[in-house]
Amino acid sequence: EDKVVQSPLSLVVHEGDTVTLNCSYEVTNFRSLLWYKQEKKAPTFLFMLTSSGIEKKSGRLSSILDKKELSSILNITATQTGDSAIYLCAAYFQGAQKLVFGQGTRLTINP
Amino acid sequence: SQTIHQWPATLVQPVGSPLSLECTVEGTSNPNLYWYRQAAGRGLQLLFYSVGIGQISSEVPQNLSASRPQDRQFILSSKKLLLSDSGFYLCAWSGLAVEQFFGPGTRLTVL
Repeated sequence: EDKVVQSPLSLVVHEGDTVTLNCSYEVTNFRSLLWYKQEKKAPTFLFMLTSSGIEKKSGRLSSILDKKELSSILNITATQTGDSAIYLCAAYFQGAQKLVFGQGTRLTINP
Repeated sequence: SQTIHQWPATLVQPVGSPLSLECTVEGTSNPNLYWYRQAAGRGLQLLFYSVGIGQISSEVPQNLSASRPQDRQFILSSKKLLLSDSGFYLCAWSGLAVEQFFGPGTRLTVL
C-alpha cells in the first residue's frame, strides 16, 4: 500500500530558529513529491520535486528530494510567526491521477 | 484564472440527516476533481476523485457518495450522516499538471 509519513507531527520553536521537516514515502512507481502549507483553510502549493538532489528554493523556504532514501526535507530559515501552519507533503506516482498525503507537521512559531 | 468554490463554509447537522456539499471550478475545462476529508487538523484523506463527467473513483468505503453531473461540478453526498462524518471537507482540482489546487473547505459537525 502506498504510504507517506511525515515527522515530526508537531514542532514548536522560537521566532528566528531554523526548522527541518521530514517526509518519507513508499510509493510504487514514484514520480514527484509535493509540499503544501495549510494555515487555516485551503492548503497552498509550495514546491514540487521530481529530480533527486536538486534543491528548490523560495525565499526562506527550500526543499530537496532524495530518491535513494525515499525522502524529502523542507527547510525554513529565520522562522517568523507567519510560518505557523500545518505543512503537508504528498507523493504522486506514475499512472495515477491522485496524490497520497502524509499526516502533516503542525509547526508553531512563538515570538 | 482558475477559481474553485465550495459551499457551505460551515454546516451543523444532526445524526441521520442527509448531506450535500458542492464544489465548482471556474476558468478551466475537463479538470480532475477530488474530495478530501481532514480530521482534527491532520493529513488529507482522499475520498473520491473524478477524471470526467459521471466518472467517480472511490478510495475509502464509507457512508458517503460523490457525483459529477457537469464538467466543473463535484458533489459530495450522504443519505444518513454519522457522528464519524464530522470533519473538514476539501475539494480540489488539477489540470494537465500534477499540482492540485484546493477550495476553501467546508467544516461539517454532526451532532
